[in-house]
Amino acid sequence: AQTVTQSQPEMSVQEAETVTLSCTYDTSESDYYLFWYKQPPSRQMILVIRQEAYKQQNATENRFSVNFQKAAKSFSLKISDSQLGDAAMYFCAYRSENSGGSNYKLTFGKGTLLTVNP
Amino acid sequence: KAGVTQTPRYLIKTRGQQVTLSCSPISGHRSVSWYQQTPGQGLQFLFEYFSETQRNKGNFPGRFSGRQFSNSRSEMNVSTLELGDSALYLCASSFMMETQYFGPGTRLLVL
Repeated sequence: AQTVTQSQPEMSVQEAETVTLSCTYDTSESDYYLFWYKQPPSRQMILVIRQEAYKQQNATENRFSVNFQKAAKSFSLKISDSQLGDAAMYFCAYRSENSGGSNYKLTFGKGTLLTVNP
Repeated sequence: KAGVTQTPRYLIKTRGQQVTLSCSPISGHRSVSWYQQTPGQGLQFLFEYFSETQRNKGNFPGRFSGRQFSNSRSEMNVSTLELGDSALYLCASSFMMETQYFGPGTRLLVL
């Protein structure tokens, strides 16, 4: 079974600074997807960024980028120019790419609570 | 496009009762997944439906069940509620097997 580990329960960053959230995962599969979701106090889970395992290029979405190290099974999220609205719980998630199979569930880490200080 | 909608948003029940939660996916999405979120256990997968068929089920007792209708709307039912069922229940939809987009959740409190 796949597992996702987020070793930082809490992180804080100054507004306009850069912060990196860590995520490691364990899998025996070669094809899969990785995601970062953000959950603000409203509790709505919002997709931040997605990475396909077969792509060597790291995904980027505006101020958000990832450092995907497949061999190390590491998937960190970098937030540049942090804004007050970035404050939220961030979850790393894994999904199998089991083509023709049925295992499309997301496996989540425990989350990292990010505080942005003005 | 409208996002994933869930009803009701908040629910208070007593032990032993049953509850039905509803989820309407994004238009065109045929896959609907359900997750339970609690402070102790985090986010756990309940089940996933695609074209009215349950494709995958998490490790939850049989009191938790679900179904999907021909218009892709999904419901989940919890019978004989226990205090430990108090949680945020999140529904997510996806187009085929792509990225899952979440609804706002239903917060269930069991007294």
